[in-house]
Amino acid sequence: GDSVTQMEGPVTLSEEAFLTINCTYTATGYPSLFWYVQYPGEGLQLLLKATKADDKGSNKGFEATYRKETTSFHLEKGSVQVSDSAVYFCALRGGYNKLIFGAGTRLAVHP
Amino acid sequence: NAGVTQTPKFQVLKTGQSMTLQCAQDMNHEYMSWYRQDPGMGLRLIHYSVGAGITDQGEVPNGYNVSRSTTEDFPLRLLSAAPSQTSVYFCASSYSSAVLEGAFFGQGTRLTVV
Repeated sequence: GDSVTQMEGPVTLSEEAFLTINCTYTATGYPSLFWYVQYPGEGLQLLLKATKADDKGSNKGFEATYRKETTSFHLEKGSVQVSDSAVYFCALRGGYNKLIFGAGTRLAVHP
Repeated sequence: NAGVTQTPKFQVLKTGQSMTLQCAQDMNHEYMSWYRQDPGMGLRLIHYSVGAGITDQGEVPNGYNVSRSTTEDFPLRLLSAAPSQTSVYFCASSYSSAVLEGAFFGQGTRLTVV
């Protein structure tokens, strides 16, 4: 069945460092792909999305490119801030009524 | 404020007890769903509903019941709690199942079964 695999965390970075969180997927066809962010004590929020191969989703300085050749959707940010500390989830649309999430990667950014 | 409201925020149950987790949204969304979040496993879909009177099972439905008598409410029932149901539960809603990615998530209910 469809699945999403994320790099294990936690990821600990200093402010202004470059961030990469790896995400790969297994699915039939070419599903829409998403990144969600969960700040402490809150529910998930959609961060960005890509609906077809080679699409690049971007928001708040974060980017991710849909790579069908490598079945990947890695999240990147050029310069992280303390306020980016959160848990990040990669997800795909696994059918008409379902989202399938990865395990989540916790990011901690220190001043 | 508009959004998804979950109650309670925290709950401790004894094995075998029953309880209902409440979820309400005021955005007139058709699609509502329940997830559980466990360390290292991300979010897994328990049950979902595409409209009032319609519910269906997700990935991990065993031990949980749902109903959708109104558009606004989508309660999740645990009939006989088990320690394996210790988790954080999230309710989510979206305008329709065609735009799942735009779902609004509640703040979660942290449930501990002892």
